[in-house]
Amino acid sequence: GIQVEQSPPDLILQEGANSTLRCNFSDSVNNLQWFHQNPWGQLINLFYIPSGTKQNGRLSATTVATERYSLLYISSSQTTDSGVYFCAVNRDDKIIFGKGTRLHILP
Amino acid sequence: DTEVTQTPKHLVMGMTNKKSLKCEQHMGHRAMYWYKQKAKKPPELMFVYSYEKLSINESVPSRFSPECPNSSLLNLHLHALQPEDSALYLCASSQGEVPGNQPQHFGDGTRLSIL
Repeated sequence: GIQVEQSPPDLILQEGANSTLRCNFSDSVNNLQWFHQNPWGQLINLFYIPSGTKQNGRLSATTVATERYSLLYISSSQTTDSGVYFCAVNRDDKIIFGKGTRLHILP
Repeated sequence: DTEVTQTPKHLVMGMTNKKSLKCEQHMGHRAMYWYKQKAKKPPELMFVYSYEKLSINESVPSRFSPECPNSSLLNLHLHALQPEDSALYLCASSQGEVPGNQPQHFGDGTRLSIL
């Protein structure tokens, strides 16, 4: 089946720093979504981005479907950005999450 | 506040109990999902309903029984669970009849503990 790999697995940054999270997938996909899971377990939509680039405030995402990867950019990090960032892909009715990147933003 | 509402938020039950988890959405979405998430792991898909019919069952044990009474409601009936079933159970919904082809919106989850 399709493999989804996220990197880095863990990231610790000072408040105000920028970061790039990566999601690689092993085969073509129909769709890709980025989520943020906060420390209370809430899973929040960030981007639905099967291809192209989208921006929402300090966050932006780019998916290059032909090269099978997606990037999530976080600029000017805030402590509320802490949590786990997941990418999830969809292919042939299979929905597969990566293992996530655990982000800690220090004040 | 999320647009997908799950109740209860927390549930503690014994292995012989029968309980149900509930999920409700009023966004007109036609696909609804149950996921199980263990600590420090990603969510794992359990079931998908599309237009109120079960379309995907990811080989989930029969002690978990899903039900979709109407397009806005999704239940997960629990019976004779094991301690390893303790987890966060997440409900999600999306537009369209093909699961995963539209953005999924998640509820806050039910944190389940089996004694």
